[in-house]
Amino acid sequence: QKEVEQNSGPLSVPEGAIASLNCTYSDRVSQSFFWYRQYSGKSPELIMSIYSNGDKEDGRFTAQLNKASQYVSLLIRDSQPSDSATYLCAAILFTRSNDYKLSFGAGTTVTVRA
Amino acid sequence: DTEVTQTPKHLVMGMTNKKSLKCEQHMGHRAMYWYKQKAKKPPELMFVYSYEKLSINESVPSRFSPECPNSSLLNLHLHALQPEDSALYLCASSQAERNTIYFGEGSWLTVV
Repeated sequence: QKEVEQNSGPLSVPEGAIASLNCTYSDRVSQSFFWYRQYSGKSPELIMSIYSNGDKEDGRFTAQLNKASQYVSLLIRDSQPSDSATYLCAAILFTRSNDYKLSFGAGTTVTVRA
Repeated sequence: DTEVTQTPKHLVMGMTNKKSLKCEQHMGHRAMYWYKQKAKKPPELMFVYSYEKLSINESVPSRFSPECPNSSLLNLHLHALQPEDSALYLCASSQAERNTIYFGEGSWLTVV
């Protein structure tokens, strides 16, 4: 089982619609979760971090965390063509060697159609 | 703009060359990272330095050699690379391990 799994996409939404991205993780003790946006040819850029159950809103972005169900999601409201990118879900997981590392999902490519 | 600066942005090297990638951050972060990213794949962790000491080595081949001269600098020394090592190399930092990680713009490496 992969440590962090994302709905693989690609996801195509019309401009102005809501884009919904989902991610599940395997480590019950994970405490920190992140969403990164990566434009083609660029490096990942942090857009949201979430640590507590519930919703966290930042502008048009809302992250949702449910630790009991081990999932984290990202909603992009009023999607714009500039939101077209790959979105990476990440979680800090405890490893077998008693270390913590940031593990990424495979990424979901979002295309917003004008 | 990212506060993690990587140089060079692009590097082409032959399989017998020795080169280095450099990374600098001035955020006072005490953890620094090297990641490797191939096309259409997520970043893969290579090394973690915490308080200037190597904390994690993800079984990376010895042709990649990390160095942390001080808390602001991180280098990745490259020697005898293979064409399959061509990738985007990402430096990142965080206040401490297990904290939010911020990436630099990356160094595109091509091995010919």
